[in-house]
Amino acid sequence: AQSVTQLGSHVSVSEGALVLLRCNYSSSVPPYLFWYVQYPNQGLQLLLKYTTGATLVKGINGFEAEFKKSETSFHLTKPSAHMSDAAEYFCAVSSYGQNFVFGPGTRLSVLP
Amino acid sequence: DTGVSQDPRHKITKRGQNVTFRCDPISEHNRLYWYRQTLGQGPEFLTYFQNEAQLEKSRLLSDRFSAERPKGSFSTLEIQRTEQGDSAMYLCASSTREGYTFGSGTRLTVV
Repeated sequence: AQSVTQLGSHVSVSEGALVLLRCNYSSSVPPYLFWYVQYPNQGLQLLLKYTTGATLVKGINGFEAEFKKSETSFHLTKPSAHMSDAAEYFCAVSSYGQNFVFGPGTRLSVLP
Repeated sequence: DTGVSQDPRHKITKRGQNVTFRCDPISEHNRLYWYRQTLGQGPEFLTYFQNEAQLEKSRLLSDRFSAERPKGSFSTLEIQRTEQGDSAMYLCASSTREGYTFGSGTRLTVV
């Protein structure tokens, strides 16, 4: 079975500050890991994904995440927050041919 | 590529009524998934299709729920005798090996 935990249901940062959203996963098989963003009343938009290869993954809108197998983590970072980054962020785990398991989400607020 | 389309975007229904949602996946994607997302939660898996075959159903999918993908293209999700607890966002996604693409969802409100 696979599972995802996201530490902090709500994170607030100032505009221009570092964004760090935490994700830890559990998987008995090599995981595929994803970060999605969701704006109010919208579907989920893929930010980035890790399947194989390089463990530092760059995504859209300046976000990146690093897969750390030893820590079973896939934390999402962005060097400088922008007001438009305010949204709900979901980490998800899957593996080849398997369904996604999503974390509970972290709401990011960006303060002016 | 028009992405994954879901219709309607919003549905308000009275308790006890039946509702049907439609999902049009990306044309070359052979896998199609339905998820349910309640307020403040992450999406929860309901069911998925490989072409027209429904290969897996979550225990969340009670007997009031039925999903079809008759020709391996679009899919419908029907909820019979809706209950207030069915109020949620219903998300459809289609995929290849490379990953999922989600639709914008159908928000169901049962009053």
